[in-house]
Amino acid sequence: ELKVEQNPLFLSMQEGKNYTIYCNYSTTSDRLYWYRQDPGKSLESLFVLLSNGAVKQEGRLMASLDTKARLSTLHITAAVHDLSATYFCAVDKGAQKLVFGQGTRLTINP
Amino acid sequence: KAGVTQTPRYLIKTRGQQVTLSCSPISGHRSVSWYQQTPGQGLQFLFEYFSETQRNKGNFPGRFSGRQFSNSRSEMNVSTLELGDSALYLCASSLQGFTDTQYFGPGTRLTVL
Repeated sequence: ELKVEQNPLFLSMQEGKNYTIYCNYSTTSDRLYWYRQDPGKSLESLFVLLSNGAVKQEGRLMASLDTKARLSTLHITAAVHDLSATYFCAVDKGAQKLVFGQGTRLTINP
Repeated sequence: KAGVTQTPRYLIKTRGQQVTLSCSPISGHRSVSWYQQTPGQGLQFLFEYFSETQRNKGNFPGRFSGRQFSNSRSEMNVSTLELGDSALYLCASSLQGFTDTQYFGPGTRLTVL
């Protein structure tokens, strides 16, 4: 059974700092997605990673995928308050299903 | 371009009843997927429809079903509601499937009493 684990689950950081959220998964897959959810809101798609070594960047966020290590990272550079949200990764098992991580609640303090 | 719309936004039902939720995708999008979000179980994938066919299905009992119409609008139905079905139900649409950017609707908040 595919398991997807994120860490940390809670992260409080200061503006201007860098940090990384990790997403580990238990079985082979080369498709992984990142989403953002603001409190009380719906989901927003951030990144679609479709192959080993894929790297995508948008503003202060950069996501990468290492399928051999079964690991994806979401790196935050010079954090700003607007990036406070819960971030989810999800692994695609092809024609089967999409499995989500538990989410990482990120709080960025001034 | 109009976004993904879901109706109703809020719903209160009692145990044993059934419920139908609706999702209207972005024009031109053929894939619609459904998700359940609860505090206890987190985000879980329900199913995905593409061109009126269910293409993927998560691990939910048969009480959860869905369909997609020729205009790509989708409905999901939950029969014999249980307390544990209380959740935020999200739908998302995309051009072809998960590998395209998904656009999410605002969700339907279902409360089962």
